[in-house]
Amino acid sequence: NAGVTQTPKFRILKIGQSMTLQCTQDMNHNYMYWYRQDPGMGLKLIYYSVGAGITDKGEVPNGYNVSRSTTEDFPLRLELAAPSQTSVYFCATQGVNTGELFFGEGSRLTVL
Amino acid sequence: AQTVTQSQPEMSVQEAETVTLSCTYDTSESDYYLFWYKQPPSRQMILVIRQEAYKQQNATENRFSVNFQKAAKSFSLKISDSQLGDAAMYFCAYRSYSGTYKYIFGTGTRLKVLA
Repeated sequence: NAGVTQTPKFRILKIGQSMTLQCTQDMNHNYMYWYRQDPGMGLKLIYYSVGAGITDKGEVPNGYNVSRSTTEDFPLRLELAAPSQTSVYFCATQGVNTGELFFGEGSRLTVL
Repeated sequence: AQTVTQSQPEMSVQEAETVTLSCTYDTSESDYYLFWYKQPPSRQMILVIRQEAYKQQNATENRFSVNFQKAAKSFSLKISDSQLGDAAMYFCAYRSYSGTYKYIFGTGTRLKVLA
């Protein structure tokens, strides 16, 4: 059972480049989230989605965009990458009955 | 707005001993979830234990238990019989029981287990 799958696991970008972090889930969960984790810090919410076609901003949305065309997929797009976006990114879904978050393995992004 | 505070950046425990990690939170809500997540060096976030605020009984999962003090807004994690595999970052998290279901995370406590 795959759960939440993120790709790529590692990526190095140059300043000004763009890229998309992919997130796919097979648990049929409606709620999905993107977080970033900076060194020594907790997780900060970038964007979230309560279902296909519905997305909303979290705490730190600047420089990112998302879409949710299907229940399964929730890609995160970085436009014009900046060094401040160097971080580890986590995609997560929420279990319906327990409130538990199910996380992907994370994607480490470095912007040079 | 809700906040979650973990005041211990790092803790150490001897193997087989017991350790308690602290977490306090601030909220005006009466119904919510609290969680402890473990992040080992592999980076994967794993749920350790969850507590629903309306339940007075403290949650327990094998060697992991919580001390939930709702009035004091405190949610500490106790790890008994510590094992080398318990070494990780531990994050406390809060989620409203209703509304937009956004989670608030603390900054984490790094637990070292000494052989």
